[in-house]
Amino acid sequence: EVHLVESGGALVQPGGCLRLSCAASGFTFSVYTMSWVRRAPGKGLEWVSYIGSASGDIKYADSVKGRFTISRDNAKNTLYLQMNSLRDEDTAIYYCARERGGYYFDGWGQGTLVTVSS
Amino acid sequence: EIVLTQSPATLSLSPGERATLSCRASQSVSNSLAWYQQKPGQAPRLLIYDASNRATGIPARFSGSGSGTDFTLTISSLEPEDFAVYYCQQRSNWLFGQGTQLEIK
Repeated sequence: EVHLVESGGALVQPGGCLRLSCAASGFTFSVYTMSWVRRAPGKGLEWVSYIGSASGDIKYADSVKGRFTISRDNAKNTLYLQMNSLRDEDTAIYYCARERGGYYFDGWGQGTLVTVSS
Repeated sequence: EIVLTQSPATLSLSPGERATLSCRASQSVSNSLAWYQQKPGQAPRLLIYDASNRATGIPARFSGSGSGTDFTLTISSLEPEDFAVYYCQQRSNWLFGQGTQLEIK
């Protein structure tokens, strides 16, 4: 069974930084592509970033490009999201998700809340 | 960029009724379309992938259809636990639709 647990969410000031983690278990983490998806208050789901199984392929949404960095440690079964230069509009629940079929997400964590506010 | 438009924004129905949710793509996505359900305080849950394949553990009352630009999620007979927000999602940039709120009438 896919088990994903995010951590690292917090209240941070605009311009600040934060690193999210996602601990994976119940499946062979190293062979799966992974993504971060967020949901801002009162809004819908927004894909944020993608990473290939061996970290060779990485993509970002335009809204976070140049500010966020996705990475993974397959030895530790952990996915990361380094978030720099945070803005008010980055306030959201951040989910890590396991990808299948090249696009859909068949496993999700419970989410971690990031609040950007002064 | 391919845009997904979901309709209606809000759907008010009673338990036992049939729900029909629509997702339209601005250009063809072939059959690369997924549907998710999200309840308050919970993570999204995959319902349908590749337009019409039910995900593991999803009840048979959920079905998906369509290809190209027009897709439909049908819930044949609503159960109380089905009232939630539903999103469609396609392959290009993992883009989601804006969601349909399915509420109790």
